[in-house]
Amino acid sequence: GDSVTQMEGPVTLSEEAFLTINCTYTATGYPSLFWYVQYPGEGLQLLLKATKADDKGSNKGFEATYRKETTSFHLEKGSVQVSDSAVYFCALAVAQKLVFGQGTRLTINP
Amino acid sequence: DSGVTQTPKHLITATGQRVTLRCSPRSGDLSVYWYQQSLDQGLQFLIQYYNGEERAKGNILERFSAQQFPDLHSELNLSSLELGDSALYFCASSYQGATNEKLFFGSGTQLSVL
Repeated sequence: GDSVTQMEGPVTLSEEAFLTINCTYTATGYPSLFWYVQYPGEGLQLLLKATKADDKGSNKGFEATYRKETTSFHLEKGSVQVSDSAVYFCALAVAQKLVFGQGTRLTINP
Repeated sequence: DSGVTQTPKHLITATGQRVTLRCSPRSGDLSVYWYQQSLDQGLQFLIQYYNGEERAKGNILERFSAQQFPDLHSELNLSSLELGDSALYFCASSYQGATNEKLFFGSGTQLSVL
């Protein structure tokens, strides 16, 4: 079935470090791919998305490229800030369903 | 603020009981989704409604039911509650309920079954 696998957390980095959170997927058809972020005590918010192969989604310094050949949608940011501390969810949308990965908790230390 | 309102924010109840969670979607959105978030299962899709009609069903137990009313608000009913039903329940909404649409999430209802 359709599924998303994220790198296990938690991930702890220092401020200004480079971030990569890996995400791979399995899907029938051609899914749209998303990254959502959940700050403490809040619901999920869309961070970025890509709807077809080779599309790059970007927002707030975060980027992810839809790689069909490797079925991946890794999240990257060149220089993280303390305010980026949150839980990040990779997700795919296909056949009226949005399927989420397990989430990766990111903590940025000053 | 996403514009999606969920009530109550916290709910504590006992096993065997029944509860109702309420969701008001963002103004103008026609589709409502329910998700369950727990430590062991992650974020699980339960059910989606569009303009009052069920559109998609996920891992929703038979003890759970939902509906969307003419004013587009939705309710999730959980009955014969078990300890394992303790979780954070999210409602989300979108305009058309299309597969690749952005979802707007509420802050969730934390359910504790004792």
